Amino acid sequence: DIQMTQSPSAMSASVGDRVTITCRAGQGIDNYLAWFQQKPGKVPKRLIYAASKLQSGVPSRFSGSGSGTEFTLTISSLQPEDFATYYCLQHYSYPWTFGQGTQVEIK
Amino acid sequence: QVQLVQSGAEVRKPGASVKVSCKASGYTFTGYYMNWVRQAPGQGLEWMGWINPNNSRTKYAPEFQGRVTMTRDTSINTAYLELSRLKSDDTAVYFCASREMVSWGQGTLVTVSS
Repeated sequence: DIQMTQSPSAMSASVGDRVTITCRAGQGIDNYLAWFQQKPGKVPKRLIYAASKLQSGVPSRFSGSGSGTEFTLTISSLQPEDFATYYCLQHYSYPWTFGQGTQVEIK
Repeated sequence: QVQLVQSGAEVRKPGASVKVSCKASGYTFTGYYMNWVRQAPGQGLEWMGWINPNNSRTKYAPEFQGRVTMTRDTSINTAYLELSRLKSDDTAVYFCASREMVSWGQGTLVTVSS
């Protein structure tokens, strides 16, 4: 199985901050990576696919980058509605695996 | 609009089986794999597998192999997840997700308790 390691596991940030979340794959996964946002009690929402492509309807303050083993999700200016848990998912090889999640909290 | 509507919460005893349904509407059901993902209370997301509704081909995560069965009924645009030999740590919310995980069901809580 390919292990996906997110960092940090949790963070506190203020509205307007630039936030970066990292996801490292245990082996190369090309760009077969997606990012999801999940708010408490809600369904996950896909933000980014193919490592860097913005899902339609997602605000442009979200961006993704990386290839191979290291990937980042960046929120350029954190908004109140962005406080949530973020997950990466590799779908390069089976079984597909999620990172453990990064909880973004209000400072 | 695209919708995935799942069946309601279930309670089962250890060793029993459960079958969760996911009814799709608003898109071509056979055009996209249907994934199943679960989330234990307070925990992260776990991919269980997918079914290709077009031909019933499946791919299961090894952790669930032998206990999981994914099926579909194209006449009613519905996918099913059946999990057998339930254990207490199968207590989780089970999600269906299609259209490359853009569209998700609302989740079905399965509680396994004696």
